[in-house]
Amino acid sequence: QVQLVESGGGVVQPGGSLRLSCAASGFTFSSYGMHWVRQAPGKGLEWVTFIRFDGSNKYYADSVKGRVTISRDNSKNTVYLQMNSLRTEDTAVYYCAKDPHEYGDYYYFDYWGQGTLVTVSS
Amino acid sequence: EIVLTQSPGTLSLSPGERATLSCRASQNVASSYLAWYQQKPGQAPRLLIYGASSRATGIPDRFSGSGSGTDFTLTISRLEPEDFAVYYCQQYGRSPITFGQGTRLEIK
Repeated sequence: QVQLVESGGGVVQPGGSLRLSCAASGFTFSSYGMHWVRQAPGKGLEWVTFIRFDGSNKYYADSVKGRVTISRDNSKNTVYLQMNSLRTEDTAVYYCAKDPHEYGDYYYFDYWGQGTLVTVSS
Repeated sequence: EIVLTQSPGTLSLSPGERATLSCRASQNVASSYLAWYQQKPGQAPRLLIYGASSRATGIPDRFSGSGSGTDFTLTISRLEPEDFAVYYCQQYGRSPITFGQGTRLEIK
């Protein structure tokens, strides 16, 4: 079955950096685009970023553009989120999520990880 | 940016009743690219509906989606105890993709 397991969350000071990882299994990882979606405590969902199946294209929400970088290693079935210049408003649970169609960019999410909490606080 | 407004904010119903959740878009949602998710406390969201009316894999047929253009509906025909949760709509027809603010379905 499809599994997505995030790691790397924690407490970081404003202006700091963090790298999140998402290990995937149960599907052909190299054939699917991957997303990160976040949820601030007690709030709704916000799409953050997407990377195509082959890493050829990446897209970012305006709220994080220039501060975060998505990447993937298809040999390790893992997608990453490098977060720099963190702000208090970046505090959220970060979910990795799978795009549903092979080789496609559909921008909805058929499987989600359990999430990893990032807290930006001094 | 397409703004999605969900109503009501909270819906109080009893098991066995029918639930009707609304999602209204500020602009036309191209090709009915609208999805619905269910989220329970402490859990990740789960995809219920995509393409406005197609059920995702493993979703019971008591869940149905309808609508087009700017008005969409998620209907749960007969509520089971496990259906009480928060529901989000999401449009993926135009960048940036956006979510509604959620409808909380609670036990009356």
